[in-house]
Amino acid sequence: RKEVEQDPGPFNVPEGATVAFNCTYSNSASQSFFWYRQDCRKEPKLLMSVYSSGNEDGRFTAQLNRASQYISLLIRDSKLSDSATYLCVVNLRGTYKYIFGTGTRLKVLA
Amino acid sequence: GAVVSQHPSRVICKSGTSVKIECRSLDFQATTMFWYRQFPKQSLMLMATSNEGSKATYEQGVEKDKFLINHASLTLSTLTVTSAHPEDSSFYICSAVPGTSVSEQFFGPGTRLTVL
Repeated sequence: RKEVEQDPGPFNVPEGATVAFNCTYSNSASQSFFWYRQDCRKEPKLLMSVYSSGNEDGRFTAQLNRASQYISLLIRDSKLSDSATYLCVVNLRGTYKYIFGTGTRLKVLA
Repeated sequence: GAVVSQHPSRVICKSGTSVKIECRSLDFQATTMFWYRQFPKQSLMLMATSNEGSKATYEQGVEKDKFLINHASLTLSTLTVTSAHPEDSSFYICSAVPGTSVSEQFFGPGTRLTVL
């Protein structure tokens, strides 16, 4: 079983749609959680950190369920520019190491 | 702030040659840097953790004699792919952790290596 699992997609959605991505992690020592965005042939860029209480940044909402070891990302009012691969990232307690999920591809269609 | 650069951005080489990739933190000191590899349509896989002034820690399955890492200063880590072969063709990305940060990594723009 992979340490961080995501549905690879692709998710093809029309502009303006709401789309949700899920991510599960297996290591209970996971401490910090992030969603990164990666465009084709580019480096990943931090989209948002994920906090236990859930957090929102504009059209993006992230949630964490430690009991179920589950993270989610919700994107509202999708834009064409949201098309990218979204990477779920987990940081293990006591280390700086990041464990990356395989990523979920999103295509927002006009 | 927190800018990380990589050089070169792209390299094409013949099989058997060695390739050096540099990773620099431009506006902060990085006691720890990471090297990742990403094959097409796959996620980033951590290759090694590079600590300034000490030996790198390699992930399972990564050959330390093939992927030489040197972290000689607080702003520079280098990855040398020795005797590169076509199967080493990949996207290599480094990241750096500021000394004061608990967990956030800042990524370089990546180096695309093609071995002919």
